[in-house]
Amino acid sequence: AQSVTQLDSHVSVSEGTPVLLRCNYSSSYSPSLFWYVQHPNKGLQLLLKYTSAATLVKGINGFEAEFKKSETSFHLTKPSAHMSDAAEYFCVVRGAGGNTPLVFGKGTRLSVIA
Amino acid sequence: SAVISQKPSRDICQRGTSLTIQCQVDSQVTMMFWYRQQPGQSLTLIATANQGSEATYESGFVIDKFPISRPNLTFSTLTVSNMSPEDSSIYLCSVVFSTGELFFGEGSRLTVL
Repeated sequence: AQSVTQLDSHVSVSEGTPVLLRCNYSSSYSPSLFWYVQHPNKGLQLLLKYTSAATLVKGINGFEAEFKKSETSFHLTKPSAHMSDAAEYFCVVRGAGGNTPLVFGKGTRLSVIA
Repeated sequence: SAVISQKPSRDICQRGTSLTIQCQVDSQVTMMFWYRQQPGQSLTLIATANQGSEATYESGFVIDKFPISRPNLTFSTLTVSNMSPEDSSIYLCSVVFSTGELFFGEGSRLTVL
């Protein structure tokens, strides 16, 4: 079975500084990995996804993530945080087959301080 | 992309009543899933809605509490039965197309008094 562990429940950064949200995964198969963002009282928005192509994945709003098989990690980064980045971020895994459901991590709340 | 309509978008219900949430997709999908997001929590998979057969429930969820229908390839319903305040959550429909693309509905925010 697949699972993801988000190592930080809350991350706080200053505006303009780098963002690092950590995620480790566990999967018996070659996984598909995703990062979703959820702003307060809003729906889920896909930031980026990894599906066994390039290990460095670029997403929307300047976010990117690197798939590291040796470390079973898929950390989300952004060079410079913006106030609008404050939200809940979910690391998500899906097993092989394409028709399997997503398994969500517990989420990391990102706060951005002016 | 896909257009996924969930109804109702939000509702306030009394304890002991039941509510049915609808998920309508603008094209045929391979798989449909129902998730729950309790306040301040992550998303938890309730069940996979199978077309033409009974839904497949995850551990901790049962058909009597969360009956699901999927009469065709574009529509599914989730009913939350005999509601209690602990059922207050956002319920989300998720669909997977034959291409493997996955989308979420906007969610149905349920408050049980």
